[in-house]
Amino acid sequence: KNEVEQSPQNLTAQEGEFITINCSYSVGISALHWLQQHPGGGIVSLFMLSSGKKKHGRLIATINIQEKHSSLHITASHPRDSAVYICGGNAGGTSYGKLTFGQGTILTVHP
Amino acid sequence: KAGVTQTPRYLIKTRGQQVTLSCSPISGHRSVSWYQQTPGQGLQFLFEYFSETQRNKGNFPGRFSGRQFSNSRSEMNVSTLELGDSALYLCASSLAGGRNTEAFFGQGTRLTVV
Repeated sequence: KNEVEQSPQNLTAQEGEFITINCSYSVGISALHWLQQHPGGGIVSLFMLSSGKKKHGRLIATINIQEKHSSLHITASHPRDSAVYICGGNAGGTSYGKLTFGQGTILTVHP
Repeated sequence: KAGVTQTPRYLIKTRGQQVTLSCSPISGHRSVSWYQQTPGQGLQFLFEYFSETQRNKGNFPGRFSGRQFSNSRSEMNVSTLELGDSALYLCASSLAGGRNTEAFFGQGTRLTVV
């Protein structure tokens, strides 16, 4: 079993739909990163959160540390949101600088 | 403020050669981590440097090495390249690399080994 698991692995949506991507982890992560990667592009950090909820534009991330679960929501999805979304975090201890990631969720939004 | 800069962006090498990739972190950041991304394995941690010292290392063979300079810029080196080393190599910088420290990623270097 992977330490960080995302679901779904692939997600197809129509423009305007509300999208949810889930992330569950088994390691002692206290802060979770959500990253976005467009095809052929580098990685952009969307959020880092350790409790509650954060919002940036149409993106909302929530986390429940006790349940080791986080969700990324996209409201009013748009074709430009098509990308790979990756969650991961640092397990602490001697894991300096090491983020453990899920396999990513491939999101395709059709016009 | 400038982001994380990786050079070169693209590289094509032949099996058996060696390659050096460079990462300039955000000003003031002292931790630099390196990751390998392949379609089958996702993002895999290579190593982390802080104040010129390697503090953490992932499960990669000794052909993968790195170093960090006094200005926090980091390089990674892969010797005796294999076809399987073809991947996107990403570096991430953070203030101190701790568990609650936000990491910022560069655009990556896409290495193709032929």
